[in-house]
Amino acid sequence: DTAVSQTPKYLVTQMGNDKSIKCEQNLGHDTMYWYKQDSKKFLKIMFSYNNKELIINETVPNRFSPKSPDKAHLNLHINSLELGDSAVYFCASSQDYTKDEQFFGPGTRLTVL
Amino acid sequence: QQQVKQSPQSLIVQKGGISIINCAYENTAFDYFPWYQQFPGKGPALLIAIRPDVSEKKEGRFTISFNKSAKQFSLHIMDSQPGDSATYFCAARKGGKLIFGQGTELSVKP
Repeated sequence: DTAVSQTPKYLVTQMGNDKSIKCEQNLGHDTMYWYKQDSKKFLKIMFSYNNKELIINETVPNRFSPKSPDKAHLNLHINSLELGDSAVYFCASSQDYTKDEQFFGPGTRLTVL
Repeated sequence: QQQVKQSPQSLIVQKGGISIINCAYENTAFDYFPWYQQFPGKGPALLIAIRPDVSEKKEGRFTISFNKSAKQFSLHIMDSQPGDSATYFCAARKGGKLIFGQGTELSVKP
């Protein structure tokens, strides 16, 4: 009974390709997030959706586009992948954006060659 | 600009010892200060958290000390165990957004 799940766990691709990462939560939460963890383990928020509406959009290249088909799912599509996009991407959710605890998924390790 | 600064970057402690990790923040609008624990290959998980109107919070072997005037907070792990070896992140929240510190890699030697 996984709370926040992501697919795939690993993604290896060539520069210039387009790829997607999927996230699902079964906690009944209203708010979902995407974080990027770089090679130095620094965690930075990228996007947040509350009830399918974008509420946080950090300074992220517009090659990154989140999509929330419903409040249990938040996908991340990345166009024209670059070497610098290599990182671990974490999805997270919280009851709503005012509630404290965020539950993180297991992460997707993206490697761009 | 790093809004939450964490130190040390790495820490080695003997089993049974006390691990102390410090964080400092700049923005007085932060209203919630969690600590997350991350094991290799896993996502971060909430360990313990505090609000700025409380100076200390203890849960088992884990204690947060919070100094509002100094804009600093710290995590103390008492009786550290090898199973505590992980990366620890402090964070601060403003308007639904969590700002993380740089992380501390803790290694507890048996």
